[in-house]
Amino acid sequence: QSVLTQPPSVSGAPGHRVTISCTGSSSNIGADYEVHWYQQFPGAAPKLLIYGDNLRPSGVPDRFSGSKSGTSASLAITGLRAEDEADYYCQSYDTNLGGSYVFGTGTKVTVL
Amino acid sequence: EGKLVESGGGLVQPGGSLRLSCAASGFTFTMYWMTWVRQAPGKGLEWVAHIKEDGSEKYYADSVKGRFTVSRDNAKSSIYLQMNSLTAEDTAVYFCARARKYCPGGNCYHDYWGQGTLVSVSS
Repeated sequence: QSVLTQPPSVSGAPGHRVTISCTGSSSNIGADYEVHWYQQFPGAAPKLLIYGDNLRPSGVPDRFSGSKSGTSASLAITGLRAEDEADYYCQSYDTNLGGSYVFGTGTKVTVL
Repeated sequence: EGKLVESGGGLVQPGGSLRLSCAASGFTFTMYWMTWVRQAPGKGLEWVAHIKEDGSEKYYADSVKGRFTVSRDNAKSSIYLQMNSLTAEDTAVYFCARARKYCPGGNCYHDYWGQGTLVSVSS
């Protein structure tokens, strides 16, 4: 059971905006560890989408943005497109039990 | 452009062992921490282990500590995951990934990923 909780699914119409939350605690996001986001299509490897809370790697459209506040982080997708339909995972670090990297529970984005 | 290719997955009986490999190309391998991440069928991602650039530091998830060993051969630009005492709970696709930043510091992330190799543990 992951220590980072995400909604199982979010959906939106093409062109609309959706947000995915990543809720943690004082031992991970709240301890100011960075949050990173990955996009994964079925049967494929994860792809880095956002790193360092709100930075986009080269080639990632600016429709994707990240933010963090307190013990939570969010990924926003604006101008939703059919090709954005995928699973999304947040990742951070947790200091409990000696420390380990943790991923969120994952969110399926559906474009209506 | 970096590339990672995993191999070595397959079907193994409970209690058995398997060794996974990950071959890297397209970047200076010796400059990066490397990570293993796994994904059980229909489930989310789980960090397994990572290893320092020179192999002198290794860290493991509690779920695999004492059973799995990560290693690397910089001459071959490869990392390995020796998995022993396997159980059904280890069934997953295993990905290797290139890590950015200093992983023990808590802020590393992964910018290149392999396609994964499937490990199935069943009698």
